Amino acid sequence: AQKITQTQPGMFVQEKEAVTLDCTYDTSDQSYGLFWYKQPSSGEMIFLIYQGSYDEQNATEGRYSLNFQKARKSANLVISASQLGDSAMYFCAMREALKYGGATNKLIFGTGTLLAVQP
Amino acid sequence: DVKVTQSSRYLVKRTGEKVFLECVQDMDHENMFWYRQDPGLGLRLIYFSYDVKMKEKGDIPEGYSVSREKKERFSLILESASTNQTSMYLCASSLSGRFNQPQHFGDGTRLSIL
Repeated sequence: AQKITQTQPGMFVQEKEAVTLDCTYDTSDQSYGLFWYKQPSSGEMIFLIYQGSYDEQNATEGRYSLNFQKARKSANLVISASQLGDSAMYFCAMREALKYGGATNKLIFGTGTLLAVQP
Repeated sequence: DVKVTQSSRYLVKRTGEKVFLECVQDMDHENMFWYRQDPGLGLRLIYFSYDVKMKEKGDIPEGYSVSREKKERFSLILESASTNQTSMYLCASSLSGRFNQPQHFGDGTRLSIL
């Protein structure tokens, strides 16, 4: 079973509008971390935002916010006031817990959502 | 800022060649990772290393090996390149032990095996 599911292979959004990119995850751990990365066409992966499983507030970083719904196991990325430079592939990822405490070193990635911002 | 540098952005090799992809990080991170990225499949972990000379297989290690002789450098080796290893290869590094530590990525190497 997929641990990270991104159901939107591609999306369009008009410049200056907000857009939500979906991510659901599957884990039986109580402790875990969730990440979003951006990958422009040039190829580099850029870390955007992090949400911990015990964080009570939704994470925000500038125009990026994370809509974290723990009971639904969803961690959707919201980009406000889209810009042309936001056109990129976006990946959701999860870090799980080790069996006896602490965090694994590995991240599990979804298959990504390609966002195209239209002028 | 963390800097992860991959030796080549684009590489073209022939079937059967031994191919080396090099990655260097400048932040004294314990962990280093090699992924391959293919359309529709996301990032798949090939190998990772949590210390010098230490390594663990990822999800798709077949046909690859790795070397970590120094903390800052992690090499991916294709022993005998095949056309199905044509892909984008991404190197990453991170600190250990905490949930909120992101992985920091290089710019990627687009490898074509002809």
